[in-house]
Amino acid sequence: QKEVEQDPGPLSVPEGAIVSLNCTYSNSAFQYFMWYRQYSRKGPELLMYTYSSGNKEDGRFTAQVDKSSKYISLFIRDSQPSDSATYLCAMRAGANNLFFGTGTRLTVIP
Amino acid sequence: GAVVSQHPSWVICKSGTSVKIECRSLDFQATTMFWYRQFPKQSLMLMATSNEGSKATYEQGVEKDKFLINHASLTLSTLTVTSAHPEDSSFYICSARDRLAGAEIQYFGAGTRLSVL
Repeated sequence: QKEVEQDPGPLSVPEGAIVSLNCTYSNSAFQYFMWYRQYSRKGPELLMYTYSSGNKEDGRFTAQVDKSSKYISLFIRDSQPSDSATYLCAMRAGANNLFFGTGTRLTVIP
Repeated sequence: GAVVSQHPSWVICKSGTSVKIECRSLDFQATTMFWYRQFPKQSLMLMATSNEGSKATYEQGVEKDKFLINHASLTLSTLTVTSAHPEDSSFYICSARDRLAGAEIQYFGAGTRLSVL
């Protein structure tokens, strides 16, 4: 079993839709949870990070962490064509290395 | 957010030559830098972790003599692909942790696309 599982998609939505991206994990020691956005042929860009369980909101983006279920989500409201990218979840335990999901390819159709 | 600068963004080289990739943290000090490799439509694979002033720690299956890493200062790490071959063609991405922000913030460079002919 992989440490982090993420549906690779692809996921296509119309402009303005609410997008829900999810990851599950198996290591209960993970404490830090991140979402990165990666455009084609570019490095990952940090979107959101959360420590432990709870919700965090930043503009159109909301990150949720449910440690009891080992499940994290990223919601994108009012999705825009510029949101089309691959979204990677990542997590770590303490100061250890990051574990990445495989990434979900999102396309927002105008 | 913090900026990690990676150069070059794209390099084409002949088989058997060596290629050096630079990674710099522009506005913060990074005691730890990471080097990843990414194949098309796949996630990032950690190659090695480098700490300033000490030898890099390589992941299992990564040849340390082929992928030389030097982390000479708190703002610069280099990856040298020695005697590159076509199978080394890939997208290489560096990453750095912001020392002052604690262990949870890790920023990435824009990546280097290596094509070995």
